[in-house]
Amino acid sequence: GAGVSQSPSNKVTEKGKDVELRCDPISGHTALYWYRQSLGQGLEFLIYFQGNSAPDKSGLPSDRFSAERTGGSVSTLTIQRTQQEDSAVYLCASSTGTDNSPLHFGNGTRLTVT
Amino acid sequence: SQKIEQNSEALNIQEGKTATLTCNYTNYSPAYLQWYRQDPGRGPVFLLLIRENEKEKRKERLKVTFDTTLKQSLFHITASQPADSATYLCASGGTYKYIFGTGTRLKVLA
Repeated sequence: GAGVSQSPSNKVTEKGKDVELRCDPISGHTALYWYRQSLGQGLEFLIYFQGNSAPDKSGLPSDRFSAERTGGSVSTLTIQRTQQEDSAVYLCASSTGTDNSPLHFGNGTRLTVT
Repeated sequence: SQKIEQNSEALNIQEGKTATLTCNYTNYSPAYLQWYRQDPGRGPVFLLLIRENEKEKRKERLKVTFDTTLKQSLFHITASQPADSATYLCASGGTYKYIFGTGTRLKVLA
């Protein structure tokens, strides 16, 4: 079956522009995560969606970052007024949402802000 | 704060030897640890999970241990092959908010 799909795979944008990153999770997975991975850094938690519950947005680094998940499936991460420090790989993962369930990651979107 | 630490230095070993990677956690007691493999330009792929009440878990050439006294997990790859070259990430759970280490890059030399 299809895995987690992310688009675009690469995005180059100018400082100050808005960007939208898309994640298509595995069908039937109720939990969806966004992480950010910078060079030499661990995966930084950004946001978590579980079913119809309110998302945990505690990892979003500033109010320029927002995410939504429509119909319990596709998710979009939006970064407004991008800054150079936003350059990183943004990874999406989904899981069945049960305790201990492994995360299934997409291949990420590499964002470069010039 | 809760922290997962992995040796950030790359590990080079000869083909056929056993690779051992270390994951240490501080300031909390995770209910379980997971290990992932990440290849360049790809997302992490789940390998193994071990619970705090399990001492050891095996899957083919992989073995993971969990020592709650030392607050440490060891990840072993026996009879290593060049195809095992990748970055290996340790992650802790217990709630939905997984905490990841920075990963250790393994290179298996032919």
